[in-house]
Amino acid sequence: QKEVEQNSGPLSVPEGAIASLNCTYSDRGSQSFFWYRQYSGKSPELIMFIYSNGDKEDGRFTAQLNKASQYVSLLIRDSQPSDSATYLCAVIKNTDKLIFGTGTRLQVFP
Amino acid sequence: DAGVIQSPRHEVTEMGQEVTLRCKPISGHDYLFWYRQTMMRGLELLIYFNNNVPIDDSGMPEDRFSAKMPNASFSTLKIQPSEPRDSAVYFCASSFLRGDTDTQYFGPGTRLTVL
Repeated sequence: QKEVEQNSGPLSVPEGAIASLNCTYSDRGSQSFFWYRQYSGKSPELIMFIYSNGDKEDGRFTAQLNKASQYVSLLIRDSQPSDSATYLCAVIKNTDKLIFGTGTRLQVFP
Repeated sequence: DAGVIQSPRHEVTEMGQEVTLRCKPISGHDYLFWYRQTMMRGLELLIYFNNNVPIDDSGMPEDRFSAKMPNASFSTLKIQPSEPRDSAVYFCASSFLRGDTDTQYFGPGTRLTVL
């Protein structure tokens, strides 16, 4: 079992819709959770992180964490074509290193 | 700040040759990470340093790979000898770890092709 699992997609949503990206992790000791966005041919960039159960909102983005279910999600409201990218979920356990999922490709069509 | 700087941006070499990738982290960051990204395996951590000291190199695939950080502003990842399966994008990232948040800033990457 991979430590961090994501559906590779692509997830296709129409412009203006809500995109929901999901991630599960295997280690209950995981402490912090991150969402990175990676445009094709570019490097990953941090969107947001979360470490407490519940929701965390930042503009059009909402991260949701459920530690009991070992599940973290990212919601993108009012999706735009410019949101089309690969979204990487990552977790930190009790060390300093991030463990990344393989990413979900999101396509937002006009 | 210029961000994390990597060189070269592209490298094409032949099997058996030595390859050296370079990274300059963001000034003041005390963590440096080397990653490899492929379609099949995604983004994999190879090694990371804290205050120039290697902390975890468990992701280094084999002895052909080595990494150094001689000072706070420079690190190298060397592959000797290179093989076609080493073809990937190699990212360097740096961070200043505070508490349990870890914003890693990635460089633009080096696209390595081994023929």
